[in-house]
Amino acid sequence: GAVVSQHPSWVICKSGTSVKIECRSLDFQATTMFWYRQFPKQSLMLMATSNEGSKATYEQGVEKDKFLINHASLTLSTLTVTSAHPEDSSFYICSTSLERGGDNEQFFGPGTRLTVL
Amino acid sequence: GQNIDQPTEMTATEGAIVQINCTYQTSGFNGLFWYQQHAGEAPTFLSYNVLDGLEEKGRFSSFLSRSKGYSYLLLKELQMKDSASYLCAVRDSNYQLIWGAGTKLIIKP
Repeated sequence: GAVVSQHPSWVICKSGTSVKIECRSLDFQATTMFWYRQFPKQSLMLMATSNEGSKATYEQGVEKDKFLINHASLTLSTLTVTSAHPEDSSFYICSTSLERGGDNEQFFGPGTRLTVL
Repeated sequence: GQNIDQPTEMTATEGAIVQINCTYQTSGFNGLFWYQQHAGEAPTFLSYNVLDGLEEKGRFSSFLSRSKGYSYLLLKELQMKDSASYLCAVRDSNYQLIWGAGTKLIIKP
């Protein structure tokens, strides 16, 4: 199946620093990638839709200046959490969708667990 | 507003069958997805329904009724490894996924 990777898988940082999370589609080209955030015992919350070569579309309530998204190529999208604070500690997951065999599947990366001290 | 409802938690016995229900109210409909998510891991795709009826994939089956805004995921011959959260998601008219809060399934021996 289609593979999406994320790096790093976990990161611990000090409050006020910036953290970059990479999302790569390994065996297909992804014009669109999605970034989700998941707090403990809660469902996925879509943060933004990342489009290759154009600006990302952010969901209501998500600060675009705090969560910088860059989708510079068809295989790589990055999410940078700027000036991270403890409340940004969460599980960040990227995904992309692929139309295949009549099914439209969404493939998720393994996620990145961010802990801000 | 858009809403996906599914039970918070269910308990079942190893070897048995369990049905997890999902009801939805969304702006348009372009398919319903079921995902399995183990604790600390990303979701994994289980099924996709866009037409009414039952889709069977091994031990897992998913049913959809668009007129009723209803779906269920049926798990047969339950195994301990099936203990996980099961997420229902609907793709709306804007092709955005609307997620349910997930159903935590606990399997007992």
